Amino acid sequence: AQTVTQSQPEMSVQEAETVTLSCTYDTSESDYYLFWYKQPPSRQMILVIRQEAYKQQNATENRFSVNFQKAAKSFSLKISDSQLGDAAMYFCAYRISGSARQLTFGSGTQLTVLP
Amino acid sequence: DTEVTQTPKHLVMGMTNKKSLKCEQHMGHRAMYWYKQKAKKPPELMFVYSYEKLSINESVPSRFSPECPNSSLLNLHLHALQPEDSALYLCASSRKTGGSSTDTQYFGPGTRLTVL
Repeated sequence: AQTVTQSQPEMSVQEAETVTLSCTYDTSESDYYLFWYKQPPSRQMILVIRQEAYKQQNATENRFSVNFQKAAKSFSLKISDSQLGDAAMYFCAYRISGSARQLTFGSGTQLTVLP
Repeated sequence: DTEVTQTPKHLVMGMTNKKSLKCEQHMGHRAMYWYKQKAKKPPELMFVYSYEKLSINESVPSRFSPECPNSSLLNLHLHALQPEDSALYLCASSRKTGGSSTDTQYFGPGTRLTVL
């Protein structure tokens, strides 16, 4: 069975600083996708970034970037120039290509941004 | 446009009530999902609809009854719920299930359900 582990239940960062959230996963599949979702207090799950496992290049979306280490099964999220609006629960998620069950979520990391 | 809408935003119901949650998307997605989420926990998959047909039921109690009347609309009918069913219910959609594309799921804002 696939599992996703987020070992940091809570993290904090000073506004304008950089923070990295960690995620590891366990799979025997070779074709899969990885995602980071953000869930602010409004509770809407918002897609932050996604990564295809077959791509060696790390995905980037503005201030958000990932460090994807396929051999180590690691998928960390780096947030640069942190803003107050980045405060949220962040979920790492995994999906096998071709799977109807779609997403396997990690337990989440609660990020606090300090002014 | 990646918008999924859900109504109502909040719902309070007694254990003998019958109510329904509604989810709508106009992105042409053919896969729709219901999730249940407890506080500070990740979402748990309940049902998956693919091309308006129920493809996955994750052993959800029969007091939850999903319905997909058309490709844009997904309902969750609630009857005889228990207090432990109180949670945030999230709807999501994706272009389709599986496949070799990224097929990203987009979530609605959720319905906060309280069962008294």
